[in-house]
Amino acid sequence: DGGITQSPKYLFRKEGQNVTLSCEQNLNHDAMYWYRQDPGQGLRLIYYSQIVNDFQKGDIAEGYSVSREKKESFPLTVTSAQKNPTAFYLCASMRAQGSSPLHFGNGTRLTVT
Amino acid sequence: QQPVQSPQAVILREGEDAVINCSSSKALYSVHWYRQKHGEAPVFLMILLKGGEQKGHEKISASFNEKKQQSSLYLTASQLSYSGTYFCGTEGSGGSNYKLTFGKGTLLTVNP
Repeated sequence: DGGITQSPKYLFRKEGQNVTLSCEQNLNHDAMYWYRQDPGQGLRLIYYSQIVNDFQKGDIAEGYSVSREKKESFPLTVTSAQKNPTAFYLCASMRAQGSSPLHFGNGTRLTVT
Repeated sequence: QQPVQSPQAVILREGEDAVINCSSSKALYSVHWYRQKHGEAPVFLMILLKGGEQKGHEKISASFNEKKQQSSLYLTASQLSYSGTYFCGTEGSGGSNYKLTFGKGTLLTVNP
């Protein structure tokens, strides 16, 4: 079955370390997204990418970086510059036509201590 | 800028109806609706496009007032399975630009 795979489900890091969250999709979708979810804050857009080798900052991009070298993959790096990195991170994808349903992965819960 | 959802939370008894509202300060091209159960990924419910086209779930209805930049999700004869957090997501006007911004969510609890 097609879908989005995020790994790992739980991730623990020490403060000051960079950490990369994986997101892979086999839906043949062109657009991919990263959202951060905190209690009471909804889903906040970090980065999104419409095509390979191109991506745009979302509303809370500071302290994060991404790459889009392959259509199937959109890894997110949480850098040490992110002041409050502990959160639930969701990856999503959408067909190229736009205004199509977002398909979400099951998320990665990152805890930084 | 995040769209504003209301109410923040609502509690129903099975069989009752609910309306969840979503409003934006900017002109909109589309409004998406998703439901998320605790610990799970959000699931697509509905897309409403400028011009009136709708795509989505048969048992859930929604409206999109382009002039007021508002959308409402109508849940009728609620079932226990309707419980969860509902999010609206919006795309700005000018056609789809792929930037989908979500509200803070509405927590819906349906009790027996």
